[in-house]
Amino acid sequence: DAGVIQSPRHEVTEMGQEVTLRCKPISGHDYLFWYRQTMMRGLELLIYFNNNVPIDDSGMPEDRFSAKMPNASFSTLKIQPSEPRDSAVYFCASTPGGLSPLHFGNGTRLTVT
Amino acid sequence: QKEVEQDPGPLSVPEGAIVSLNCTYSNSAFQYFMWYRQYSRKGPELLMYTYSSGNKEDGRFTAQVDKSSKYISLFIRDSQPSDSATYLCAMSADTGNQFYFGTGTSLTVIP
Repeated sequence: DAGVIQSPRHEVTEMGQEVTLRCKPISGHDYLFWYRQTMMRGLELLIYFNNNVPIDDSGMPEDRFSAKMPNASFSTLKIQPSEPRDSAVYFCASTPGGLSPLHFGNGTRLTVT
Repeated sequence: QKEVEQDPGPLSVPEGAIVSLNCTYSNSAFQYFMWYRQYSRKGPELLMYTYSSGNKEDGRFTAQVDKSSKYISLFIRDSQPSDSATYLCAMSADTGNQFYFGTGTSLTVIP
């Protein structure tokens, strides 16, 4: 089992640029979550999917953020245009659902200058 | 009030000490409790999970849940420098698809 795979591991971009983060969940996991982690706010849920359908996107900060899950093995989180305050570590996590725990990827460290 | 409260520390202990990490919560619907360990520049890694009240032991780690007090703990016996990490508590209600995290406690074990 390869675990949750995220890419890129690091992203440095300039303000105003588009950023796309990618995630491959564990095979067979029906739920996929996107989190953002900062020192000040800890882990914040941005959005989660069930069977590729977005269920709760109330944590998405604003319209600059969008997420898609075109199939069971791939999801993207896009920020357009990016701003310095978006600098954080973005984690993807998946779970089979029910009473199973979350399994996290190693995150994408985003720096917007 | 946050759903889950966790003392951020930092906590520094000598090698071999017993460590106690704690979280409190406000939602009585939480039934499922998890502890994650996060090393620097890594994702959170599941350490322990337990359903309902009581103790669960795994090697040097013991997870304890007191639902009447809405209080959970993680004990680490014979702490090692390799235990130095941030520890996050997490919990979920029976639906199992909403997870609530503490902010994490930073632990350093000094050789």
